[in-house]
Amino acid sequence: DAGVIQSPRHEVTEMGQEVTLRCKPISGHNSLFWYRQTMMRGLELLIYFNNNVPIDDSGMPEDRFSAKMPNASFSTLKIQPSEPRDSAVYFCASSSSVTQPQHFGDGTRLSIL
Amino acid sequence: QKEVEQDPGPLSVPEGAIVSLNCTYSNSAFQYFMWYRQYSRKGPELLMYTYSSGNKEDGRFTAQVDKSSKYISLFIRDSQPSDSATYLCAMKITSGTYKYIFGTGTRLKVLA
Repeated sequence: DAGVIQSPRHEVTEMGQEVTLRCKPISGHNSLFWYRQTMMRGLELLIYFNNNVPIDDSGMPEDRFSAKMPNASFSTLKIQPSEPRDSAVYFCASSSSVTQPQHFGDGTRLSIL
Repeated sequence: QKEVEQDPGPLSVPEGAIVSLNCTYSNSAFQYFMWYRQYSRKGPELLMYTYSSGNKEDGRFTAQVDKSSKYISLFIRDSQPSDSATYLCAMKITSGTYKYIFGTGTRLKVLA
């Protein structure tokens, strides 16, 4: 079975540019999560979708960050404008329900110069 | 103080050794405990999922929870070089919550 698929795997861009990260959850999973991982803070939940609806976006750092889930098989996380402090690894995870474990993609390594 | 504390390591052991990885936590409401393994440049992969106190075994892996001490452990028997990875603990309060609180991970190196 295909796992969670994220693209791109690596992104290097200059400060001020728009960045779009993409995620395809596991088929049949109705819960989708975006996380950010840094050495200092570990894994932090940014936003949670259930059945394509954003349920909790309290972890989104600021208005520069936005996320959408237009259908059950696709989600995007957008940063506009990007800043060097946004550099991190961004993970998407999905689960078949909130009671079931979350399965992670391999992440997007983002570097903002 | 972080809700979940985990020694970052690195922890280096010889092949075949028994490895003990630990997390402490401050919130006594946590009831569900997980261990994830994360290889370099990969996403976290679920290893163990336990509820409340006690032990759970799966092959060479044993997860142990001591709620009275707010302390959880992952033991790896007969460690292999392929076990070299970062191990993240995670916990949540109820089965119905989506909010996992993760430790920052312990980096393990098993030397051949």
